[in-house]
Amino acid sequence: SQQGEEDPQALSIQEGENATMNCSYKTSINNLQWYRQNSGRGLVHLILIRSNEREKHSGRLRVTLDTSKKSSSLLITASRAADTASYFCFNAGGTSYGKLTFGQGTILTVHP
Amino acid sequence: EPEVTQTPSHQVTQMGQEVILRCVPISNHLYFYWYRQILGQKVEFLVSFYNNEISEKSEIFDDQFSVERPDGSNFTLKIRSTKLEDSAMYFCATRGDRETQYFGPGTRLLVL
Repeated sequence: SQQGEEDPQALSIQEGENATMNCSYKTSINNLQWYRQNSGRGLVHLILIRSNEREKHSGRLRVTLDTSKKSSSLLITASRAADTASYFCFNAGGTSYGKLTFGQGTILTVHP
Repeated sequence: EPEVTQTPSHQVTQMGQEVILRCVPISNHLYFYWYRQILGQKVEFLVSFYNNEISEKSEIFDDQFSVERPDGSNFTLKIRSTKLEDSAMYFCATRGDRETQYFGPGTRLLVL
């Protein structure tokens, strides 16, 4: 995969508010994926959006993809303290073996 | 839901000693990965493994590192002669025929 660039670097909100983070990428994609890491623990796959999709929902998550701008956004609605984590995006451009190249991510802090 | 498991969860070793980190992939997954995360830094790719051989490795993955799938189930990472700078959290990840990687909870390695 190619590294996505997450923005902002850090986001601090109150519980119940919505959180929006953005991802920009450089090369063409097959799909774009978002993962979450809670405080140095294992990573969890959140959602995958394919290049022919513009929007996708999963529970409180909404992902959009704009291939013309090479960007994606992840919206977490009604945030909870448990959403506090680092969020990463990856552009899967068709690499067979699919290693993930991590950027700095967006560090989301949700205050109770 | 199937999970990737890793053992041990923590390992403390003396510099120069050999360590073996173990991962049990999700059954029928075909692609295997090791990543590491030094405290306070971003996650780094080490190696990918497919069809019983290394498919890609990073510069970090030097001659001190090796991987194997000794019994068709476990996937191991061996560090032959540990150094202080090998202290990190090591994550195993596995992938089936879809693009999503499933991460284990990690092994925290401390080299003294």
